[in-house]
Amino acid sequence: DQQVKQNSPSLSVQEGRISILNCDYTNSMFDYFLWYKKYPAEGPTFLISISSIKDKNEDGRFTVFLNKSAKHLSLHIVPSQPGDSAVYFCAASAHYGGSQGNLIFGKGTKLSVKP
Amino acid sequence: GAGVSQSPSNKVTEKGKDVELRCDPISGHTALYWYRQSLGQGLEFLIYFQGNSAPDKSGLPSDRFSAERTGGSVSTLTIQRTQQEDSAVYLCASDRWRGGRNEQFFGPGTRLTVL
Repeated sequence: DQQVKQNSPSLSVQEGRISILNCDYTNSMFDYFLWYKKYPAEGPTFLISISSIKDKNEDGRFTVFLNKSAKHLSLHIVPSQPGDSAVYFCAASAHYGGSQGNLIFGKGTKLSVKP
Repeated sequence: GAGVSQSPSNKVTEKGKDVELRCDPISGHTALYWYRQSLGQGLEFLIYFQGNSAPDKSGLPSDRFSAERTGGSVSTLTIQRTQQEDSAVYLCASDRWRGGRNEQFFGPGTRLTVL
């Protein structure tokens, strides 16, 4: 049973437009959420995170929104750039506040940004 | 500074053989994680080491899988009597608590192919 779900395996967006990647979770104990970006043949790299006490966190072109009642979060990238083309993983943890446990990952969404 | 390194980058083995995968975490990171990513799947948690505490082995799929972390640094993941379903990219990550942010840094992974 998947606790973190990314229902769109792929997304194609035109350069300059907004990319919206979605993620749903089922475990109400999750209190920390992260997005990772992965290029082929490389390990995932941290992109942005949000704790459950917030509903929005912004970092440059990247914004993560959290809707706790819907158990849904989304990553917005605006404007999208061709270099953003990668697989994006949503991850969740029930151990905010330290190295206390593993992350639960979704299956990823492959984003393609067309020039 | 140096990131998380893993070796080998690729490993091809025959069914029934044992394999060892190595991870060198970032210096000073107290936590170390092993994940694997099978084709078309998200990252699956395997095992987690935190300091001198007993490891969290809850993600290991069978008793053919084991891991050690020597001296609180380098870790080795061992798979005995490999099966074809063990074929995956095995990723190692490390992290340390940084005041409100728990960010795991991933290595490039070891691609294991069991023939």
